[in-house]
Amino acid sequence: DVKVTQSSRYLVKRTGEKVFLECVQDMDHENMFWYRQDPGLGLRLIYFSYDVKMKEKGDIPEGYSVSREKKERFSLILESASTNQTSMYLCASKDKLNTEAFFGQGTRLTVV
Amino acid sequence: TQLLEQSPQFLSIQEGENLTVYCNSSSVFSSLQWYRQEPGEGPVLLVTVVTGGEVKKLKRLTFQFGDARKDSSLHITAAQPGDTGLYLCAGNTGFQKLVFGTGTRLLVSP
Repeated sequence: DVKVTQSSRYLVKRTGEKVFLECVQDMDHENMFWYRQDPGLGLRLIYFSYDVKMKEKGDIPEGYSVSREKKERFSLILESASTNQTSMYLCASKDKLNTEAFFGQGTRLTVV
Repeated sequence: TQLLEQSPQFLSIQEGENLTVYCNSSSVFSSLQWYRQEPGEGPVLLVTVVTGGEVKKLKRLTFQFGDARKDSSLHITAAQPGDTGLYLCAGNTGFQKLVFGTGTRLLVSP
């Protein structure tokens, strides 16, 4: 069965902390994505990666960075967390030849 | 930024009613998808439409892709409580990116 696993379901961090959100997929997919989900705004793309060590900015990359050192793992980094980054974060992966994206269960991050 | 607007944003109906959700954009997409998301879970794919004018049916759900491939609709016949969830459309830009809509939250009461 296809699986995308996010390291935490819930996280509470303090303003200014460096935060790492980890995502692992077991499908050998080339493409991986980080989205943030806020009510009424749908899913907004933060960053995506189409290969190891390759990354592209999405629509809202400010305040975030990413790392993809291995094909199966895609990390989202908040360099200095701020309260406006409180949100649900969703990781997804997909094969480059198909359009279906597979999602993790999400990480609800609260920055206080 | 390519925008996909969904309407309505929220829909609360009784079991047995019919409903339609719309997904509109000014951009052309190579394909369009519909996902459903339940609380505490990530979105799960329902259908992909590729050809302008295409209609696909999934039991009581009917999906249509606009002729110009800029918009889509989801029609549910005789809604059931199990249809409750967040419905998201997503357009494929052809550059490996998926752009998601703003979402429609559906609540079906018994």
